[in-house]
Amino acid sequence: AQSVTQLGSHVSVSEGALVLLRCNYSSSVPPYLFWYVQYPNQGLQLLLKYTSAATLVKGINGFEAEFKKSETSFHLTKPSAHMSDAAEYFCAVRRASGGYQKVTFGTGTKLQVIP
Amino acid sequence: DTGVSQDPRHKITKRGQNVTFRCDPISEHNRLYWYRQTLGQGPEFLTYFQNEAQLEKSRLLSDRFSAERPKGSFSTLEIQRTEQGDSAMYLCASSLTDGYNEQFFGPGTRLTVL
Repeated sequence: AQSVTQLGSHVSVSEGALVLLRCNYSSSVPPYLFWYVQYPNQGLQLLLKYTSAATLVKGINGFEAEFKKSETSFHLTKPSAHMSDAAEYFCAVRRASGGYQKVTFGTGTKLQVIP
Repeated sequence: DTGVSQDPRHKITKRGQNVTFRCDPISEHNRLYWYRQTLGQGPEFLTYFQNEAQLEKSRLLSDRFSAERPKGSFSTLEIQRTEQGDSAMYLCASSLTDGYNEQFFGPGTRLTVL
């Protein structure tokens, strides 16, 4: 079984401040991990993915995430928040085995950026 | 536009009516997925196709739900005898057959059952 836990359903930061969105995963086998962003009334867009290469993964829009096996974490960060970053962010996990493996999503974190 | 498209974007129906949604995946993607997303939750897997074959169905997919992908291109999701609990955003995604399962999502169809 696999799961992700996103700590904090709502996070508020000031424009220009550090963004930190937390994700912890549970997986009995090595995982692939993903972060998606969802703007209101839109589908999900992939921000970045960890696929067992570099543990520090850089994505689009200045976001990055670090895979820490010892902490079973994959937290999303951005050094300086922009107003356009206000959205809902989902962490997701799948098994890193071959073939099709179901992706399991967390419950999401809504990011508010305060001017 | 080469992204995933879904139609309609919004659907309001009365309880007991049947509804059908369509998804057009990215043209070279042979895998297609349906998810349901309720308020405050992440997407929950419903079913997926590889080409025209439906390979997995979630227990969330009751007998009132049926999905097809007849020619391995677009897919339809039908809900019969809708219930208020079916109100949700229905998301479609597609991917290549690769090791990462990087899924590209459509904009979703928001269903409201009155």
